[in-house]
Amino acid sequence: DVKVTQSSRYLVKRTGEKVFLECVQDMDHENMFWYRQDPGLGLRLIYFSYDVKMKEKGDIPEGYSVSREKKERFSLILESASTNQTSMYLCASSLFGSEQYFGPGTRLTVT
Amino acid sequence: QKEVEQNSGPLSVPEGAIASLNCTYSDRGSQSFFWYRQYSGKSPELIMFIYSNGDKEDGRFTAQLNKASQYVSLLIRDSQPSDSATYLCAVPIFGNEKLTFGTGTRLTIIP
Repeated sequence: DVKVTQSSRYLVKRTGEKVFLECVQDMDHENMFWYRQDPGLGLRLIYFSYDVKMKEKGDIPEGYSVSREKKERFSLILESASTNQTSMYLCASSLFGSEQYFGPGTRLTVT
Repeated sequence: QKEVEQNSGPLSVPEGAIASLNCTYSDRGSQSFFWYRQYSGKSPELIMFIYSNGDKEDGRFTAQLNKASQYVSLLIRDSQPSDSATYLCAVPIFGNEKLTFGTGTRLTIIP
């Protein structure tokens, strides 16, 4: 079974804080993804990585950065959290050309 | 035109009936199509994928693909209350590793 884990299920941070969200997959998948999901807007891709140290911007990268130092781990960084980054954050992974598997999600609230 | 379109619903279906969910996509070159189920507050879970024209059955679920008309549908037979969820259609766009998701159809099965 594919397993994608995320570091926190719920997180509350203050405006201006630096926030790290971590994602780990145990199936040796090449691709890893970070999405955010908001009511009425669906899933939106923030960043995508297809290999260690490789990254590609998604649809809404502004205000976010990512790091992939090891194949199994993909981190999303909010350099200075803002209230409009309050959302559900979902990590996913996949083999090349295959379906994506999602982690449980992190519900982030920025106050 | 959006790349992947779904009716947002809500779609209400009596228990035991067939639920029919539809999705249209814009990229004629798309080769694979995915259906995800998402319960409220949870992450998306892959339930079906289809690559070839025609029908693919898995238990109570049938995915139908018509590439000429650029639509893919999901039928759920003998609908159960536990099928109440949002169903997301996902399509790789422009032949790359990223999936574009529809905004989802919210399905409610009425006991």
